[in-house]
Amino acid sequence: DTAVSQTPKYLVTQMGNDKSIKCEQNLGHDTMYWYKQDSKKFLKIMFSYNNKELIINETVPNRFSPKSPDKAHLNLHINSLELGDSAVYFCASSGGYGSGANVLTFGAGSRLTVL
Amino acid sequence: AQSVTQPDIHITVSEGASLELRCNYSYGATPYLFWYVQSPGQGLQLLLKYFSGDTLVQGIKGFEAEFKRSQSSFNLRKPSVHWSDAAEYFCAVGPFAGGTSYGKLTFGQGTILTVHP
Repeated sequence: DTAVSQTPKYLVTQMGNDKSIKCEQNLGHDTMYWYKQDSKKFLKIMFSYNNKELIINETVPNRFSPKSPDKAHLNLHINSLELGDSAVYFCASSGGYGSGANVLTFGAGSRLTVL
Repeated sequence: AQSVTQPDIHITVSEGASLELRCNYSYGATPYLFWYVQSPGQGLQLLLKYFSGDTLVQGIKGFEAEFKRSQSSFNLRKPSVHWSDAAEYFCAVGPFAGGTSYGKLTFGQGTILTVHP
């Protein structure tokens, strides 16, 4: 069983469309994240949720809306897609408290290409 | 604001040679430090981490890293590289303070490792 699984792995779509990426973790972790890796390979945090509650919300356009139906799932919905949204989106999770809460387990990534 | 610099964008070594990947960070206090590896088309896998204590930490796949506070560095090393080590390596720092900052890692730009047979 994959610890952190994301779907779809690849997503090609037109500008202006709306798309979603789903993430599920079976590690029993309390916290889940979305990170974005741009074309220059920089990884940057977008959001984090702890037990379905939004904790971190970086400066991300409000076209991006995360949703956590339960602590094992964190989805990312993107409205009105733009060319600059093309990137690899990584879901991650972490558990525990203190130092352990910083140990992230990443999914394999979802490559979004906006044409 | 914290930052992580990996000065080498691309390193090529021969199989069996030793390896050192450099990482320098800028942070207001002692951070948590990590090295992750990303193989093509894969997610990031944690190689090792430093939280406190012994400044030389051992990780998976025979990797180790040394935290040097005076140099704000956390370099990754391996005594003998295998062809399967070819991948991209990312250094990251995490907040010591915790709280709502947990998991907010700052990553370097990555170093691509090529291994020649």
